[in-house]
Amino acid sequence: GQQVMQIPQYQHVQEGEDFTTYCNSSTTLSNIQWYKQRPGGHPVFLIQLVKSGEVKKQKRLTFQFGEAKKNSSLHITATQTTDVGTYFCAGPIYGNNRLAFGKGNQVVVIP
Amino acid sequence: DAGITQSPRYKITETGRQVTLMCHQTWSHSYMFWYRQDLGHGLRLIYYSAAADITDKGEVPDGYVVSRSKTENFPLTLESATRSQTSVYFCASSESQGGGGQPQHFGDGTRLSIL
Repeated sequence: GQQVMQIPQYQHVQEGEDFTTYCNSSTTLSNIQWYKQRPGGHPVFLIQLVKSGEVKKQKRLTFQFGEAKKNSSLHITATQTTDVGTYFCAGPIYGNNRLAFGKGNQVVVIP
Repeated sequence: DAGITQSPRYKITETGRQVTLMCHQTWSHSYMFWYRQDLGHGLRLIYYSAAADITDKGEVPDGYVVSRSKTENFPLTLESATRSQTSVYFCASSESQGGGGQPQHFGDGTRLSIL
């Protein structure tokens, strides 16, 4: 079945540094979505990318959708303690409104 | 998001008991979903619903029952709880637009412990 994989699974990042998390799909996606879950919280939708090669920015976060629409990345600059949490990517499962979620990238920020 | 609420937030019960987790959304979204989240497994889909009276199995449906008599409600029942069903349960909803996988909006979750 369709799989979405995220690497790395865990990251420890020094406050102020940049980091990137990656998402790869076994199939071509019509769109890719990113979610953030704070510790003890629930997943919150961040952004959706639709076009091949699309790049979107939200303040210090830059999201990119690959040319082949099978991979995506999230790059965070000047990491802050508020960036702590787990970042999930998700892609639609063809033919219905379900999403295939990756297992997430848990980010710990070191002050 | 205030538009989707889950109850209870915390629940402790014993093996063999029946327990129902409630989910209510005010957006009139067509789709609703139930996930469980366990360490190392991410979010796993239990059941989902495309509309009132339409439900379908997800990845891990065994031991669970759902119903959707009204668009806004999507309760999840564990008919005879087992320890392996100890987990955090999230309800989510999304709009329906051509089946293209619309963004999902999650409730705060129910933390269920089965002793």
